[in-house]
Amino acid sequence: QVQLVESGGGVVQPGRSLRLSCAASGFTFNRYAIHWVRQAPGKGLEWVALISYDGSDKYYADSVKGRFTISRDNSKNTLYMQMNSLRAEDTAVYYCARTVLYSAYANVDSWGQGTLVTVSS
Amino acid sequence: QSVLTQPPSVSAAPGQTVAISCSGSFSNLGNNYVSWYQHLPGTVPKLLIYDNNRRPSGIPDRFSGSKSGTSGTLGITGLQTGDEADYYCATWDSRLSVVVFGGGTKLTVL
Repeated sequence: QVQLVESGGGVVQPGRSLRLSCAASGFTFNRYAIHWVRQAPGKGLEWVALISYDGSDKYYADSVKGRFTISRDNSKNTLYMQMNSLRAEDTAVYYCARTVLYSAYANVDSWGQGTLVTVSS
Repeated sequence: QSVLTQPPSVSAAPGQTVAISCSGSFSNLGNNYVSWYQHLPGTVPKLLIYDNNRRPSGIPDRFSGSKSGTSGTLGITGLQTGDEADYYCATWDSRLSVVVFGGGTKLTVL
């Protein structure tokens, strides 16, 4: 079965960096575009970033552009998010999520359980 | 403030029907499909509707979707207490080259 397992969350001070990982299994990872989506405490879902199946295309929300970098290693079936210059408003549960194959980018059919990032001094 | 506008909350009695709206603009809903997600407390979001009106396998036909112009609608018939959740619309914005979510609608089944 499809599995997406995030890791790397934790408590970090403002201005510092963190790298999230998402290990995929149960499907052919290198065929799918993958997202990071986050949910701040008490808030709605916020799309963060997207990477195409082969890593050639990357897209970012304005709120993280220039600070976050999405990447993938298809040989390891793993997605990454390098988060730099973290701010308090980046505090959220971060989900990695898979796009429906051969479908619009907004169609996401599988989600990981999420990893909590807390930015606090 | 979300690019896609949803009502913050809707409510209805068990067995009744509810519609949740999602309003956007030319660059997003006007030119791209709408998707809908259900997010139950303590769980991960679930895809309910994609490509405006298609249901993934396993989603009951009580859930339906439609789109007209720059607005999308999620319909739920035969409401059950288990349908209490937050519902989000989403689409691609062609001008911004981003995925956008609505602000979410909390459904209460009275």
